[in-house]
Amino acid sequence: DAGVIQSPRHEVTEMGQEVTLRCKPISGHNSLFWYRQTMMRGLELLIYFNNNVPIDDSGMPEDRFSAKMPNASFSTLKIQPSEPRDSAVYFCASRSQGRGTEAFFGQGTRLTVV
Amino acid sequence: SQQGEEDPQALSIQEGENATMNCSYKTSINNLQWYRQNSGRGLVHLILIRSNEREKHSGRLRVTLDTSKKSSSLLITASRAADTASYFCATDVGGGADGLTFGKGTHLIIQP
Repeated sequence: DAGVIQSPRHEVTEMGQEVTLRCKPISGHNSLFWYRQTMMRGLELLIYFNNNVPIDDSGMPEDRFSAKMPNASFSTLKIQPSEPRDSAVYFCASRSQGRGTEAFFGQGTRLTVV
Repeated sequence: SQQGEEDPQALSIQEGENATMNCSYKTSINNLQWYRQNSGRGLVHLILIRSNEREKHSGRLRVTLDTSKKSSSLLITASRAADTASYFCATDVGGGADGLTFGKGTHLIIQP
């Protein structure tokens, strides 16, 4: 397996633009997580899905953030409109319930909003 | 919200020395995990210790867990330059059905 795949790796966008981050979890994993990492706040859990259903989105900072998981092999995190304070590295991770609880992380998307 | 808090925030030691990092958490857990992050990369799982375990070893890694004090420690023995990275603890409440919450990490620098 190629692991968790995120795209794009880097994104630079202007304030006010819509940004969509993409994630392909490891095949067979039924839990998917979105994290945001900054120097100030560390690694924050934004939202997670079990079997494609959002379970807890209490970490989503504002209504400008939304996440979807239309099927078991794809998820998106959308920011609309983007703001400079959204600049961070966004990670997607997946794991399998019941067969061990190790999470596998993607390489992250470095987002810069100017 | 942050569940785990690592201590110290930064640690610099000489190659060959042992490195110890600590983690404190707030609520009851199912297991606690340690991850490593090299600069610019995603996190990589190192070791998991369940709430009914007190100590676990994996190669040069030794993890302890004290549920009465809600704390864990990660010991890296005979450190190498390649161990330079940030180390995070993650608490797992549901054992797979819930989100993993991480601390802010300990940045470890191994001086050659």
